[in-house]
Amino acid sequence: KAGVTQTPRYLIKTRGQQVTLSCSPISGHRSVSWYQQTPGQGLQFLFEYFSETQRNKGNFPGRFSGRQFSNSRSEMNVSTLELGDSALYLCASSLVSASGEGDTQYFGPGTRLTVL
Amino acid sequence: AQSVSQHNHHVILSEAASLELGCNYSYGGTVNLFWYVQYPGQHLQLLLKYFSGDPLVKGIKGFEAEFIKSKFSFNLRKPSVQWSDTAEYFCAVNAWTNAGKSTFGDGTTLTVKP
Repeated sequence: KAGVTQTPRYLIKTRGQQVTLSCSPISGHRSVSWYQQTPGQGLQFLFEYFSETQRNKGNFPGRFSGRQFSNSRSEMNVSTLELGDSALYLCASSLVSASGEGDTQYFGPGTRLTVL
Repeated sequence: AQSVSQHNHHVILSEAASLELGCNYSYGGTVNLFWYVQYPGQHLQLLLKYFSGDPLVKGIKGFEAEFIKSKFSFNLRKPSVQWSDTAEYFCAVNAWTNAGKSTFGDGTTLTVKP
């Protein structure tokens, strides 16, 4: 099976712009989660989508949003970019069991966003 | 709320030394526990996981971890490290009731000297 894929791999934007990142989950996986990874804050949970609905949300401002399509692919959008948004954005997908037992997230390579 | 604490930020070992990385979590319910590894320039890969049954779990590349419920710990071990184990290691937890949201520790950078 192909793994989680993310596009683009690298992005350079300037402050005030907006950006859209894309994630294709492993085939059959219905949950997609997004994380921000920075040297100072580590891995921070952004949000999770399941069946096209946001099921969980982390503590990020409303500038960060996402959506999921019927084929489970997901996009993440950041509006009005700030310098502090420079980070590696990771997407993870998982099967969803009825109980949650053993549900494992598999990660993509990430999108490296640099805000100038 | 869940939290994960990794005891060591940076560990330096010589090849063939034994490794133990500490991880403690805080959560009152039933959890899935994971160790992920991030090699330089590569993405996060799953090393091993625990969700039920035998508390000693074995993963890839000779790694193992032991879940001690009474201590809320999930320590990672390897009897003999290799130079190729140089990487950053992350402990993570998610709740059975909310498995789409994982909480990660700050990570431990392991440097193995040849």
